[in-house]
Amino acid sequence: NAGVTQTPKFRILKIGQSMTLQCTQDMNHNYMYWYRQDPGMGLKLIYYSVGAGITDKGEVPNGYNVSRSTTEDFPLRLELAAPSQTSVYFCASVGGGSYNEQFFGPGTRLTVL
Amino acid sequence: GENVEQHPSTLSVQEGDSAVIKCTYSDSASNYFPWYKQELGKRPQLIIDIRSNVGEKKDQRIAVTLNKTAKHFSLHITETQPEDSAVYFCAASYADGLTFGKGTHLIIQP
Repeated sequence: NAGVTQTPKFRILKIGQSMTLQCTQDMNHNYMYWYRQDPGMGLKLIYYSVGAGITDKGEVPNGYNVSRSTTEDFPLRLELAAPSQTSVYFCASVGGGSYNEQFFGPGTRLTVL
Repeated sequence: GENVEQHPSTLSVQEGDSAVIKCTYSDSASNYFPWYKQELGKRPQLIIDIRSNVGEKKDQRIAVTLNKTAKHFSLHITETQPEDSAVYFCAASYADGLTFGKGTHLIIQP
């Protein structure tokens, strides 16, 4: 199993541009999450999904959108990028219920200039 | 919702000494408490976890204790080594996921 994969690894955006961060897991996990981690800080939950077709907001959803059309994929969309969205973005997944280990992807480092 | 407090934010110990990181949580319904280690530039990875029906769990030099009455849990690392240098996050479960603490930067002094 590849586990949780994310693309791209790095990206530089100009203010106002849009992009989609990709996340895929091959473990048939129902729960998937998007976090952002600012330098030297902890993990903040952006959006999450408890299964295909179901998404919900986390702590910091403004400026982002998600969709979950399949169990495997959970893309994160940034519309009108702003410097405040400069961060490292981690995707994670959990199988067998939320009370289990979250497996993290390798992260996407995004810079908005 | 769940609130998780983690202390200290930075911990510096001599190589070979022990390190203890403490967390408190607010939701009495939480029943799963993992600890993650994050090395610089890497993803968080689970190092140990504990469930509410257990008071203590040990894995070689790492142990976690849980006091459900007081709503706190701790990570203990004994005989620290240079490779233990990292940021450690505690977390507590809620209905749909985990709430993370803000992290502890553990520095191992040679």
